[in-house]
Amino acid sequence: DAGVIQSPRHEVTEMGQEVTLRCKPISGHNSLFWYRQTMMRGLELLIYFNNNVPIDDSGMPEDRFSAKMPNASFSTLKIQPSEPRDSAVYFCASSFSQGHTGELFFGEGSRLTVL
Amino acid sequence: GENVEQHPSTLSVQEGDSAVIKCTYSDSASNYFPWYKQELGKRPQLIIDIRSNVGEKKDQRIAVTLNKTAKHFSLHITETQPEDSAVYFCAANFGNEKLTFGTGTRLTIIP
Repeated sequence: DAGVIQSPRHEVTEMGQEVTLRCKPISGHNSLFWYRQTMMRGLELLIYFNNNVPIDDSGMPEDRFSAKMPNASFSTLKIQPSEPRDSAVYFCASSFSQGHTGELFFGEGSRLTVL
Repeated sequence: GENVEQHPSTLSVQEGDSAVIKCTYSDSASNYFPWYKQELGKRPQLIIDIRSNVGEKKDQRIAVTLNKTAKHFSLHITETQPEDSAVYFCAANFGNEKLTFGTGTRLTIIP
């Protein structure tokens, strides 16, 4: 398996623009997570899905952030409009959980810079 | 709340010595405690994990200990090598799938 695949790897955009990050989880995994990593706040969980259903979005900073998982092999994280404070590395991760927490496999991350 | 505290934030040890990183968690219902290693510019990767039905787990030079009563767990790396230099994150689960991470420890191995 190719692992968790994220795109783009790097994105530089201007304040106010829309940003869409994409993730393909490992085939067969039933949970998908979006994390944001910054020096100040470390690894923060933004939202996670189980069987394509959003379970906990309490970490989503504000209404500018939205996430979808239309099917088991694809998820998006959208920021609209983007702001400089959104600059971070965004990781997607997936796991197989069946009644207990499974190992989290991370993608390589999307480094976002908002000017 | 769902909180994981990790100490120290930075750690330097001489090559060949041992390194210990400690974490505490807030929810007594947590039962899964993984440790992730993140090299510079790379993704976090699992190095070892422990579930609450055991108190210690070892894999070659790394070991994790768990004290459920005190709600803390520790990572031990023995005979450290330069390739052990990285940022290490502990985590605990809150509910079945949700993992909350500690703030990380930057470990530097001095040759």
